[in-house]
Amino acid sequence: DVKVTQSSRYLVKRTGEKVFLECVQDMDHENMFWYRQDPGLGLRLIYFSYDVKMKEKGDIPEGYSVSREKKERFSLILESASTNQTSMYLCASTPVGRGNTIYFGEGSWLTVV
Amino acid sequence: GDSVTQMEGPVTLSEEAFLTINCTYTATGYPSLFWYVQYPGEGLQLLLKATKADDKGSNKGFEATYRKETTSFHLEKGSVQVSDSAVYFCALNYGGATNKLIFGTGTLLAVQP
Repeated sequence: DVKVTQSSRYLVKRTGEKVFLECVQDMDHENMFWYRQDPGLGLRLIYFSYDVKMKEKGDIPEGYSVSREKKERFSLILESASTNQTSMYLCASTPVGRGNTIYFGEGSWLTVV
Repeated sequence: GDSVTQMEGPVTLSEEAFLTINCTYTATGYPSLFWYVQYPGEGLQLLLKATKADDKGSNKGFEATYRKETTSFHLEKGSVQVSDSAVYFCALNYGGATNKLIFGTGTLLAVQP
């Protein structure tokens, strides 16, 4: 089975802190994604990566950056956390190709106080 | 641009009732369509998918048919169970190099015994 692992399930951080959310997939997928999930807004794409060291902005990249130094790992970075970044963050991965299933991690609940 | 619209929830049903969750889409091309399910405290799992017009996706008693003429992909189940209580997301993508998913806002289903 494909496994997408998000290292932290629950985090509480202070405003202004730098926050790292880590995601690892074990199926050699080319594409990896970070989404943010908020009630009434569904899932919104923050950033995605289609290859090592390659990244593209999604719909809501402001306040975030990403890093993909190895194919299996995709990190989301909050340079200076703010309270409006309190949310559930979901990592996902998929191989290239039409109709391929996208696999999600279990999510990281981040609270910024 | 492309988008997905789902019926607002919550949808509350009694066990063994018939379920329909409406989903319509706007697309510039010919996407694949998906239903994902999120159980409480978990990430998203693929429930079913359809990759071209008139395809029917099915899984665990759920089914949805890709209707190009009405740009719809409604989710149905003949007899729901308490264990079906979850949030259901409709989504589309085009595959290709990046394989990004575009999600609806999600519909909460609550099934009462």
